[in-house]
Amino acid sequence: KQEVTQIPAALSVPEGENLVLNCSFTDSAIYNLQWFRQDPGKGLTSLLLIQSSQREQTSGRLNASLDKSSGRSTLYIAASQPGDSATYLCAVEDDYKLSFGAGTTVTVRA
Amino acid sequence: KAGVTQTPRYLIKTRGQQVTLSCSPISGHRSVSWYQQTPGQGLQFLFEYFSETQRNKGNFPGRFSGRQFSNSRSEMNVSTLELGDSALYLCASSAPGDEKLFFGSGTQLSVL
Repeated sequence: KQEVTQIPAALSVPEGENLVLNCSFTDSAIYNLQWFRQDPGKGLTSLLLIQSSQREQTSGRLNASLDKSSGRSTLYIAASQPGDSATYLCAVEDDYKLSFGAGTTVTVRA
Repeated sequence: KAGVTQTPRYLIKTRGQQVTLSCSPISGHRSVSWYQQTPGQGLQFLFEYFSETQRNKGNFPGRFSGRQFSNSRSEMNVSTLELGDSALYLCASSAPGDEKLFFGSGTQLSVL
């Protein structure tokens, strides 16, 4: 059974600081890894999707890396802003099913 | 382009009742998946449908069922509700050949 772990569970940083969010998974036989953002009481918004054959993906201030062999992914958010405050979830896909981590709740202080 | 629409947004039921939740995917999307989100268990996969066929199912009791219609709209049903079924139920859709998921805002179910 796939287990996905996210560390830390919560993070509070001043505006402008770079954010580093970690995700690990136990079974490396994944199809892809996705990072999502969730605002309180809302659904999830897809941020980045990394195919199993890829090493990283970038979108604006966001960069995600994937090391499938070690079962790790890292999401970097550069120059954080108060609007980045949310819960960030990583998920690995296998057989049309996503297994999610518990998330990292980020607070960016103005 | 309209997003994934879930109805109703909120629902209050009592133990023993049954409930049906609806999900309309983005136009052109043929895959619909359902997830349960609770504070204790996080996000857990319920089932996934593509062209009216269930391709995978999570580890939930048989009280949880779903279906997909020819227009890709999907419903999930929970029978004999229990207090522990209180959760945010999220549905997501994706386009053929694209793994990126688009989620709806969810249905918040409270079982009293």
